[in-house]
Amino acid sequence: NAGVMQNPRHLVRRRGQEARLRCSPMKGHSHVYWYRQLPEEGLKFMVYLQKENIIDESGMPKERFSAEFPKEGPSILRIQQVVRGDSAAYFCASSPLRGSMRHEQFFGPGTRLTVL
Amino acid sequence: AQKVTQAQTEISVVEKEDVTLDCVYETRDTTYYLFWYKQPPSGELVFLIRRNSFDEQNEISGRYSWNFQKSTSSFNFTITASQVVDSAVYFCALSDTGRGSTLGRLYFGRGTQLTVWP
Repeated sequence: NAGVMQNPRHLVRRRGQEARLRCSPMKGHSHVYWYRQLPEEGLKFMVYLQKENIIDESGMPKERFSAEFPKEGPSILRIQQVVRGDSAAYFCASSPLRGSMRHEQFFGPGTRLTVL
Repeated sequence: AQKVTQAQTEISVVEKEDVTLDCVYETRDTTYYLFWYKQPPSGELVFLIRRNSFDEQNEISGRYSWNFQKSTSSFNFTITASQVVDSAVYFCALSDTGRGSTLGRLYFGRGTQLTVWP
């Protein structure tokens, strides 16, 4: 059973470009969370999605950031017109809908975004 | 509001010393989960333990042990006989079990950088 997959692992963008980060949850998991880790800080919640639904985006910056989790395919975190302050590690976590593990999140390896 | 505080930013020890990483949390929930994660220099997050708020029994796993004290809202982590490979950033986290949109969200502390010297 493959774990949570994220790609790319490293992404370099110039200011003003777009960044697309992908997350494939574990098989059978229907909940996806995105977290951002700024340098020397803990992880901060960004958005919580279920298939085709954004449940909670209260941690997401109001502009330039968007997320989706389509019926088919990975979850995508999209950052438009990136700025240097967006440089961070972005982690995706998935969780099952029910069962004893529903309060546990399984993390992907992260995508390290560098904005030049 | 949910909050996790890891007051120790950095800790340095010499190999074979015991070390305790502190974690204090705040929550209004009566049911919640506490976690510890390890982040080695390679950057991934390694799950170490999950603890239910109703289970105050301390846990030991090899050289790792956890002390959950509900009365002081603390969930401390001790590494016995530390090794160089234990060098990493360690995060304590709290899970929201409220109904609705915040269900399952993790609140992380800022992490403690542990360096174990040979």
